[in-house]
Amino acid sequence: GENVEQHPSTLSVQEGDSAVIKCTYSDSASNYFPWYKQELGKGPQLIIDIRSNVGEKKDQRIAVTLNKTAKHFSLHITETQPEDSAVYFCAASGAATRMDSSYKLIFGSGTRLLVRP
Amino acid sequence: EAQVTQNPRYLITVTGKKLTVTCSQNMNHEYMSWYRQDPGLGLRQIYYSMNVEVTDKGDVPEGYKVSRKEKRNFPLILESPSPNQTSLYFCASTSRREQFFGPGTRLTVL
Repeated sequence: GENVEQHPSTLSVQEGDSAVIKCTYSDSASNYFPWYKQELGKGPQLIIDIRSNVGEKKDQRIAVTLNKTAKHFSLHITETQPEDSAVYFCAASGAATRMDSSYKLIFGSGTRLLVRP
Repeated sequence: EAQVTQNPRYLITVTGKKLTVTCSQNMNHEYMSWYRQDPGLGLRQIYYSMNVEVTDKGDVPEGYKVSRKEKRNFPLILESPSPNQTSLYFCASTSRREQFFGPGTRLTVL
């Protein structure tokens, strides 16, 4: 079945530096790739997503890139701040999705990001 | 305010004692899901529901049941909990745009 691998599992950066989290997926039919941020004691929350018809999307300090040929996508956070510290999950739309892509997602294993002040 | 609520937030129980975790959403979404989150494994879908009275298995359904008698509620039922069901559980309500997660229920089965 569909598989999403996420690296690294933990990432520690100095405040102001950039952070990059990478994911690969197995199903070439996947066409929707969201990223979720999970703060301590809370449920995951969507921060950015990208669909397969574009290669890059940016929203202020965060950006996502997608390489469909290589089947990988990445989250980039620039000018990191302590409040960026959280667990980040990538996801890919599941195989044989019968409806809009956001309904069936396969999640990566998560990256714990620590931004040191 | 659009939200997904879960109860209880924390639960410690013993093997074999039936329990129910409730989930409710106020966004009128048709699609809802249950996930479990375990270290190193991310979020894995347990069950999902595409509408009232329509439910189906996700990736890890063994040991769980669900029901969807009304659109806003989607309870997760563990008929005979076992220690391997100790986990952090999330309910999600889904629009065409994104999945909205509840705050989570941390379950410990002794």
